[in-house]
Amino acid sequence: GQQVMQIPQYQHVQEGEDFTTYCNSSTTLSNIQWYKQRPGGHPVFLIQLVKSGEVKKQKRLTFQFGEAKKNSSLHITATQTTDVGTYFCAADRGSTLGRLYFGRGTQLTVWP
Amino acid sequence: DVKVTQSSRYLVKRTGEKVFLECVQDMDHENMFWYRQDPGLGLRLIYFSYDVKMKEKGDIPEGYSVSREKKERFSLILESASTNQTSMYLCASGSTNTEAFFGQGTRLTVV
Repeated sequence: GQQVMQIPQYQHVQEGEDFTTYCNSSTTLSNIQWYKQRPGGHPVFLIQLVKSGEVKKQKRLTFQFGEAKKNSSLHITATQTTDVGTYFCAADRGSTLGRLYFGRGTQLTVWP
Repeated sequence: DVKVTQSSRYLVKRTGEKVFLECVQDMDHENMFWYRQDPGLGLRLIYFSYDVKMKEKGDIPEGYSVSREKKERFSLILESASTNQTSMYLCASGSTNTEAFFGQGTRLTVV
């Protein structure tokens, strides 16, 4: 079943607008990871958040991990057409078996 | 660079055939995963393996089996392919608590 809820499922923005995708878990997470999948490609790792309240930035991308370690967000400032793709969060619940629980992804479309 | 290689990019099989999807990784990762990806459903875990000969069911294991005889290789087997198994299949590998590396994917069509 769906362990991690990710919203929205789709987002269409005009180039230059901001974009945010949210990820929520009912259980406390060990860490959370974010991936990007370009159209026709495979998911590629972006970042991992481990600490409560952690905020990390990669150029125009800002990643946050909630204080309770149950939610996370990815925010893109001033989107560009190169940001097009599907963004997935992946939750690590701390199992020694190494399983990740992926959200359903947010498909971002950017028109010029 | 870490490499996860899937044996085929595209595959067309007939209903009832036994299908083997192969995945090889070159980074000595203990964990390997098989996902299927369908529009609107995200990545759904079929099976994963945390060690040689060890496997765990994911969320949708029905109709599939797996084999991990060597650490670097993880095979997904469709015992008797059906049209509802037409999908994109993604293999991934990684170490516990670190990122997963994905293969390029195999687009399987069952006719």
